[in-house]
Amino acid sequence: QSALTQPRSVSGSPGQSVTISCAGISSDVGSYNFVSWFQQHPGKAPKLLIYDVTKRPSGVPDRFSGSKSGNTASLTISGLQAEDEADYYCYSYAGRSGMFGGGTKLTVL
Amino acid sequence: EVQLVESGGDLVQSGGSLRLSCAASGFTFSSYAMSWVRQAPGKGLEWVSDVSGSGDNTYYTDSVKGRFTISRDNSKSTLYLQMNSLRGEDTAVYYCAKDVRYLDLWGRGTLVTVSS
Repeated sequence: QSALTQPRSVSGSPGQSVTISCAGISSDVGSYNFVSWFQQHPGKAPKLLIYDVTKRPSGVPDRFSGSKSGNTASLTISGLQAEDEADYYCYSYAGRSGMFGGGTKLTVL
Repeated sequence: EVQLVESGGDLVQSGGSLRLSCAASGFTFSSYAMSWVRQAPGKGLEWVSDVSGSGDNTYYTDSVKGRFTISRDNSKSTLYLQMNSLRGEDTAVYYCAKDVRYLDLWGRGTLVTVSS
């Protein structure tokens, strides 16, 4: 059960777009469309941003979007805002176990 | 209000036991699988275990197999995690989350500290 691979950090200026990748293997990210993304601010519980690769729960701004190509899923945040500064985690459920990425710290410059 | 509230976290000695609870409200608890996720201090999220809506099917991450037991009482809308033979590396905030694919609702977490 190895974790999904995310970059440790990304950064961008307000108004710009950033993309966070989540690399898995063929038996998890590559086989299922059960990839989710979570945002976590310090001291807070994670919040679901994206599920089933591309879907947004109600209340999540359309600045957040998800995609997948092969064994790699991606989260794109467009129109960066100061409040987007947080940790972001991808998550894949492979039928009998869940797996998180190591997390990516987003810094808004 | 739709919410999850964890409790039971504490300071415990290595080798000890603890039972965490997660009280659910605002949704039909028995209709959803439920998960436990933990986060060690300054570290990332780690999926720990999940249980089907009926309680019949349970799954665990390798590091807790044989030591932790997940269960649920649908009559009380409550999820449990029995943790035995605790180790220092089990120190973390433990979150319960609704569902296993989406994790679309989280509690605020409960802190478990294992001392040597």
